[in-house]
Amino acid sequence: GAVVSQHPSRVICKSGTSVKIECRSLDFQATTMFWYRQFPKQSLMLMATSNEGSKATYEQGVEKDKFLINHASLTLSTLTVTSAHPEDSSFYICSATPQTVGGEQYFGPGTRLTVT
Amino acid sequence: EDKVVQSPLSLVVHEGDTVTLNCSYEVTNFRSLLWYKQEKKAPTFLFMLTSSGIEKKSGRLSSILDKKELFSILNITATQTGDSAVYLCAVQYNNNDMRFGAGTRLTVKP
Repeated sequence: GAVVSQHPSRVICKSGTSVKIECRSLDFQATTMFWYRQFPKQSLMLMATSNEGSKATYEQGVEKDKFLINHASLTLSTLTVTSAHPEDSSFYICSATPQTVGGEQYFGPGTRLTVT
Repeated sequence: EDKVVQSPLSLVVHEGDTVTLNCSYEVTNFRSLLWYKQEKKAPTFLFMLTSSGIEKKSGRLSSILDKKELFSILNITATQTGDSAVYLCAVQYNNNDMRFGAGTRLTVKP
């Protein structure tokens, strides 16, 4: 149980285009989903927290107009990278929790974004 | 299908106890295994293990990798309440992608 999927697993896009990444909880309802970005030296940065039916909470320094997050249902959250630039190239990971506070987070397999 | 399995899923100990957390994996194109500690927000990087049998240490935490048996352990000695967290194991592939385990929730009671 507690499987989280991401789609696509890899995507290559041109500068200036937008890319949508989906995160789905396959066998549970996720009241909260998190989006992370991997940085060099294995560090993970939390980008935003999204709760179903409400606006996402973005971490300091993350541009909400550039990284659009929609959590329209209890099993799906999407991250759209708008007007992508090569510096947006990274590994994006989502996680989902069935509870709003203190619940376990189940991580997706990640999406490798390359912007050319 | 690739797997990263952590055990136990949760653990409750008292201050001063020593704990061992386990992570086994079955993946293709293995590059390294990473351990993270997650308290509130983003997981904090602890260790990266690439070679078998070489222990990495940081204070009361240590970890080792066995690439033949495909597992790693994370040891915490003389636990403190501040060690309470979810400990995540992740495998890094040759292409730098990662796959996380489900985590072990450690609770250290005073």
